[in-house]
Amino acid sequence: AQSVTQLGSHVSVSEGALVLLRCNYSSSVPPYLFWYVQYPNQGLQLLLKYTSAATLVKGINGFEAEFKKSETSFHLTKPSAHMSDAAEYFCALSGGYGNKLVFGAGTILRVKS
Amino acid sequence: AAGVIQSPRHLIKEKRETATLKCYPIPRHDTVYWYQQGPGQDPQFLISFYEKMQSDKGSIPDRFSAQQFSDYHSELNMSSLELGDSALYFCASSRISTGANVLTFGAGSRLTVL
Repeated sequence: AQSVTQLGSHVSVSEGALVLLRCNYSSSVPPYLFWYVQYPNQGLQLLLKYTSAATLVKGINGFEAEFKKSETSFHLTKPSAHMSDAAEYFCALSGGYGNKLVFGAGTILRVKS
Repeated sequence: AAGVIQSPRHLIKEKRETATLKCYPIPRHDTVYWYQQGPGQDPQFLISFYEKMQSDKGSIPDRFSAQQFSDYHSELNMSSLELGDSALYFCASSRISTGANVLTFGAGSRLTVL
């Protein structure tokens, strides 16, 4: 069985502050892990992916995530938040080629000026 | 670059009516997935097709059916619509041969059932 847990349904940071969105996973097979971002009334855009290569993954818009097998985590970070980062972020897991994505419940990021 | 195209973007139906959503995957992508996202919820997997054959099935109601056609576009048919079917329906496509199962999502079709 596979599952994704995102800690914190809402995260609020000040502009320029560190962004940390937490994601833990459970998988019976080596996972592929993803972070997607969704702006209001829009589709899901891929931020970054982990596919069993480098454990520190860099994505678009200055985001990065580190795969930690010992902690079964894949937390998303950005050193300095920008107002345009305000959106909902989904962590997702796949068990391999052709497998569906299993999503976490999502974290809404609010950026305060 | 071409993206996943979904139509219609918005659809309003009455209870017990039927709705059809269409999805045009990225060219050369061989797999299509359908997801349902209710208000304030995460996307839930409905069904997927690989090379026009159903490859996986999730929490798709019996009232729903889907298929992938020879040109790789897919349609999700929903009958006897209920209020609870109101949601954002996403289609995604991927090309398994590129590895890592990266899904590219369409902008979604918002279904409102009155």
